[in-house]
Amino acid sequence: AQKITQTQPGMFVQEKEAVTLDCTYDTSDQSYGLFWYKQPSSGEMIFLIYQGSYDEQNATEGRYSLNFQKARKSANLVISASQLGDSAMYFCAMREEGNQGGKLIFGQGTELSVKP
Amino acid sequence: KAGVTQTPRYLIKTRGQQVTLSCSPISGHRSVSWYQQTPGQGLQFLFEYFSETQRNKGNFPGRFSGRQFSNSRSEMNVSTLELGDSALYLCASSLGLARGNEQFFGPGTRLTVL
Repeated sequence: AQKITQTQPGMFVQEKEAVTLDCTYDTSDQSYGLFWYKQPSSGEMIFLIYQGSYDEQNATEGRYSLNFQKARKSANLVISASQLGDSAMYFCAMREEGNQGGKLIFGQGTELSVKP
Repeated sequence: KAGVTQTPRYLIKTRGQQVTLSCSPISGHRSVSWYQQTPGQGLQFLFEYFSETQRNKGNFPGRFSGRQFSNSRSEMNVSTLELGDSALYLCASSLGLARGNEQFFGPGTRLTVL
């Protein structure tokens, strides 16, 4: 069965520093996608970055990069130069893409607090 | 391009009542998924629709149902509400079912059952 594990319930980082949020996953499928979402206190889920299981390069989107280690089944999110507005819940999610369907399995989330 | 919209944003109901939530996807998106978010269970998948057909269903009782219209708008219905149905209900849309199609979420409907 698919499973996403985020082992850090909460993290603190100093403004302008980099931070890594951990995510490990479990699936028996060969074709899958990994996603990171940000959820501010307002509740809306904001898409950050996507990594496909067959992508050879690590995904990057501005200050966000995904450290994808397929053999270790990890997909850590790296946020460079943290900003106060980065304070939010961060969710790692997975979707099996071998079959039709877009069902996302989410981890429990990591609450990131950026200190000035 | 307008984002995913959900109505209403907030809802208060009493046990035993039923409720209908609405989701309008991003223009051109044909896939709509629904998720329930609670502090205890986290984010759980409810169902997914594509071209008016339910493609996937999560592990929820039959009181939870949904549908999609020809314009891709979707509704979900919860009948005989229970206290445990209090949650943030999130709708997400994507272009389709292909690899890499990211899902864009709406602001959610916060349902409180008294």
